Amino acid sequence: QQQVKQSPQSLIVQKGGISIINCAYENTAFDYFPWYQQFPGKGPALLIAIRPDVSEKKEGRFTISFNKSAKQFSLHIMDSQPGDSATYFCAATSETSGSRLTFGEGTQLTVNP
Amino acid sequence: EPEVTQTPSHQVTQMGQEVILRCVPISNHLYFYWYRQILGQKVEFLVSFYNNEISEKSEIFDDQFSVERPDGSNFTLKIRSTKLEDSAMYFCASRKRGNTGELFFGEGSRLTVL
Repeated sequence: QQQVKQSPQSLIVQKGGISIINCAYENTAFDYFPWYQQFPGKGPALLIAIRPDVSEKKEGRFTISFNKSAKQFSLHIMDSQPGDSATYFCAATSETSGSRLTFGEGTQLTVNP
Repeated sequence: EPEVTQTPSHQVTQMGQEVILRCVPISNHLYFYWYRQILGQKVEFLVSFYNNEISEKSEIFDDQFSVERPDGSNFTLKIRSTKLEDSAMYFCASRKRGNTGELFFGEGSRLTVL
């Protein structure tokens, strides 16, 4: 019940295209859903996050869509750039878990020039 | 911009040896974490630490592991007797009070057990 499932495992997009990564969770106690971006040799860095009281959050080219009833959320990267090429992890946590993050399996995004 | 720093960046050790990984969290952060990432796999929670004690630990964090905050700045992870399967990237993270889920990660310490 603690799992977060992420797809696809890898994604190749042309420059200017839209990248979409999906995640699903089971634990209804989760109340905070961050996305982390990881470049090779670096630690994960918080990209954008959402709480379940809203259905969408947008920051620049990055948008999270959240469907509470389906227990799914997704990351959309508009106008994808080669510099966006990285591994993206969705995650989930709750106040009661002390911010123990449960990560998805990761999506390796490649944006071709 | 303040950051979490970790040392060493890479350590190679023999099976059965003790290893200490060190972290300096961001100075005004109160919650500290260790995560690990086996090559090509997802990031896994090991332990969280607050107010000088462990607040939660995963099933991975067995008796071979321990954490300590020996002074006001360092946060360490000790593996008492390393096994081959401990080979992974270990990430330290920290956060402020109240900012649930907004963890700041270090660049990691790669541990290779031979």
